[in-house]
Amino acid sequence: QQQVKQSPQSLIVQKGGISIINCAYENTAFDYFPWYQQFPGKGPALLIAIRPDVSEKKEGRFTISFNKSAKQFSLHIMDSQPGDSATYFCAASDGITGGGNKLTFGTGTQLKVEL
Amino acid sequence: DVKVTQSSRYLVKRTGEKVFLECVQDMDHENMFWYRQDPGLGLRLIYFSYDVKMKEKGDIPEGYSVSREKKERFSLILESASTNQTSMYLCASSTRDYLQETQYFGPGTRLLVL
Repeated sequence: QQQVKQSPQSLIVQKGGISIINCAYENTAFDYFPWYQQFPGKGPALLIAIRPDVSEKKEGRFTISFNKSAKQFSLHIMDSQPGDSATYFCAASDGITGGGNKLTFGTGTQLKVEL
Repeated sequence: DVKVTQSSRYLVKRTGEKVFLECVQDMDHENMFWYRQDPGLGLRLIYFSYDVKMKEKGDIPEGYSVSREKKERFSLILESASTNQTSMYLCASSTRDYLQETQYFGPGTRLLVL
């Protein structure tokens, strides 16, 4: 049972373009939605996160858009650079499981930014 | 800086062997997690722990067990390794603070079971 569905599985974007990765969830108890970035040979690292009390959060070139009614959220990378080439995972948490913050991850998107 | 270390980057084991994967964090985090990462399947939670000597099953616990005798150390045990356990294993830790939900990951252990 996949509670967080992520698409596309892979994405190729030209340098300077916009990269968009989408996620959809089913569990309405989810209240924390982070994105993790993973470079080859490294563990994932938190990139940006949002809570459902806002519809958008921006940090530099990275923006999360959140649509609570549609149960969808997306990551936008503006002015994509070759250094952004990595695997991106969306995730969600309901924050009420035991000690909190058990994350459910999407299946990942492999982004390649070409020159 | 938070640091999560895993005992091995690469391991090769034989079918039926008992395998221990060790994880240590240096930030006094209460929560620790073990995931496996497979292409097209993302990160799937195997086990997690909210406190010393405490453990809870994740989404795919079959064939695995864990041990947390000290707060900083969380071990994943494959009782009898099988070829379908060939994977990348990732350890993570986080605080219990509801508003500080970041999970910090180790670099991973790539396990090959022959």
